[in-house]
Amino acid sequence: GIQVEQSPPDLILQEGANSTLRCNFSDSVNNLQWFHQNPWGQLINLFYIPSGTKQNGRLSATTVATERYSLLYISSSQTTDSGVYFCAVEPTGGFKTIFGAGTRLFVKA
Amino acid sequence: ETGVTQSPTHLIKTRGQQVTLRCSSQSGHNTVSWYQQALGQGPQFIFQYYREEENGRGNFPPRFSGLQFPNYSSELNVNALELDDSALYLCASSLEQATSGNTIYFGEGSWLTVV
Repeated sequence: GIQVEQSPPDLILQEGANSTLRCNFSDSVNNLQWFHQNPWGQLINLFYIPSGTKQNGRLSATTVATERYSLLYISSSQTTDSGVYFCAVEPTGGFKTIFGAGTRLFVKA
Repeated sequence: ETGVTQSPTHLIKTRGQQVTLRCSSQSGHNTVSWYQQALGQGPQFIFQYYREEENGRGNFPPRFSGLQFPNYSSELNVNALELDDSALYLCASSLEQATSGNTIYFGEGSWLTVV
């Protein structure tokens, strides 16, 4: 089945710093989403981005489907950005969403 | 606020017991999926229901079963609980099947501890 790899696994930032999270996937996909999971377990959809670039405030994402990767950019990080960021894909011809192992982000004040 | 609600939020069960977890989908969503998330890992797909029919299943044994009701709410049932079933169980809803490329929305999850 499709493999989804996220890097880095852990990241510590000083408040105000910028960062880039990466998601590599091993096969073609219909759908790619980025989620943020807060410490209480709630998964919040950040972007639905099977291809192209989107921006939402301090966050932006780019997916290059032909090269099978996606990037999530966080600019001017804040302590509230802390949590786990997941990349999730739906393989072409599949029916289920496959999650990566996540990037655990901690932003220090 | 995603519009997806799950209950109970926390529960403790004994090994061998049975548990039922419930999920109310976002209004208008006819597809619901269930995921198991063990500590420190990403969510793992259990199964998906579309218009009351199971239309996909992950690598989980038959003691994990589900239902979707006419109002598109859903239940996850786990029989003969094992210690390794301790996890966060997440419900996600979407409009139409995920293969249509629609965004999925998650509930806050049910934390299950098996002792």
